[in-house]
Amino acid sequence: GAGVSQSPSNKVTEKGKDVELRCDPISGHTALYWYRQSLGQGLEFLIYFQGNSAPDKSGLPSDRFSAERTGGSVSTLTIQRTQQEDSAVYLCASRSGLAESSEQFFGPGTRLTVL
Amino acid sequence: GEDVEQSLFLSVREGDSSVINCTYTDSSSTYLYWYKQEPGAGLQLLTYIFSNMDMKQDQRLTVLLNKKDKHLSLRIADTQTGDSAIYFCAERSGTGGFKTIFGAGTRLFVKA
Repeated sequence: GAGVSQSPSNKVTEKGKDVELRCDPISGHTALYWYRQSLGQGLEFLIYFQGNSAPDKSGLPSDRFSAERTGGSVSTLTIQRTQQEDSAVYLCASRSGLAESSEQFFGPGTRLTVL
Repeated sequence: GEDVEQSLFLSVREGDSSVINCTYTDSSSTYLYWYKQEPGAGLQLLTYIFSNMDMKQDQRLTVLLNKKDKHLSLRIADTQTGDSAIYFCAERSGTGGFKTIFGAGTRLFVKA
């Protein structure tokens, strides 16, 4: 596609339920990032995937959070046993391995609300 | 660990210059970026500067980098109401692969 897409755009869930958020990066982009943007907060790095290398998971806030990237393309961020503090906008970005600037292209985000 | 800090809010009059400041802690940063987030939209790269540069100009945008003080600024000349947005400073570590750390964002409000 033309840009990074994310689904769903909005997700409302009950505390304790698991959720899966999906990211479709720009075709051919080798790197994929997940960030969390909470109300009034900045962008919090969660995890990034680079090609076939082991992902950098240093930003995941707890073991309830995990992410996969299948076939070097689509990624899924899973939050288990959701808590109210998980409510945020989850942003995905992808990056070409070729661009000198290492610009990241962001998707529109998934707004997660945990009741 | 790495940290990027910026003021949270800036208000200017239309036609004035805006200066958004940012400080970072990682001395091995290779690239520094300014991203813009308009209401309800995703982030878009505005401009970037490589760490061996002091200044970069791109139309109404001027980026200044003081590597010694780890201080980055973005100046927007002739600020327009369409410039109202959140501006994020970000740095890419030279030692952490392509991990990029973002600041909290500065909300620019332009008064007509």
